[in-house]
Amino acid sequence: AQTVTQSQPEMSVQEAETVTLSCTYDTSESDYYLFWYKQPPSRQMILVIRQEAYKQQNATENRFSVNFQKAAKSFSLKISDSQLGDAAMYFCAYRRGTYKYIFGTGTRLKVLA
Amino acid sequence: DVKVTQSSRYLVKRTGEKVFLECVQDMDHENMFWYRQDPGLGLRLIYFSYDVKMKEKGDIPEGYSVSREKKERFSLILESASTNQTSMYLCASSPDRGHQETQYFGPGTRLLVL
Repeated sequence: AQTVTQSQPEMSVQEAETVTLSCTYDTSESDYYLFWYKQPPSRQMILVIRQEAYKQQNATENRFSVNFQKAAKSFSLKISDSQLGDAAMYFCAYRRGTYKYIFGTGTRLKVLA
Repeated sequence: DVKVTQSSRYLVKRTGEKVFLECVQDMDHENMFWYRQDPGLGLRLIYFSYDVKMKEKGDIPEGYSVSREKKERFSLILESASTNQTSMYLCASSPDRGHQETQYFGPGTRLLVL
């Protein structure tokens, strides 16, 4: 069975600094998608970034980028120039096909002014 | 913008009550999901639906049922609420078009069962 592991329950970063959130997953499939979602306090969960497993190039969205290591089954999220608004719970998720999403346990990110 | 709404942000119910959680999406999405979110456990899938009147069990369906009579609406039913069903419930929807699509989430319903 597929699993997603986020080993860091909580992380802190100084404003304007860079932070990396870790995610590993376990699967025997070759075709799948990976996602990072952000859940701000008392607000809706939103997509931060996605990565298709067949693409070798790491996805980037403005200050957010991933380090996708398919052989190591690792999918970390790097946030550059951290802002106060980045404070949230971040979830790593794996999807195979259209419906099967598996989420990690989340990492709470604190941004220090 | 995709909008997914849930009928209540906060709900307090008594043990044994029948509880209905409603979710509505306005983007004509084929797929709808109900998750339960608990600290340290992440999101766990309760049920999902890929079409009207179609449903599939997720990882933790026990104690829950669902209904999808219209494409835009997906209801989660707790037949007889128990204290261990106190949790945050998240609804999500996604389109079938293109594998690059992702899920869109509602604001969540925080349910307390006394």
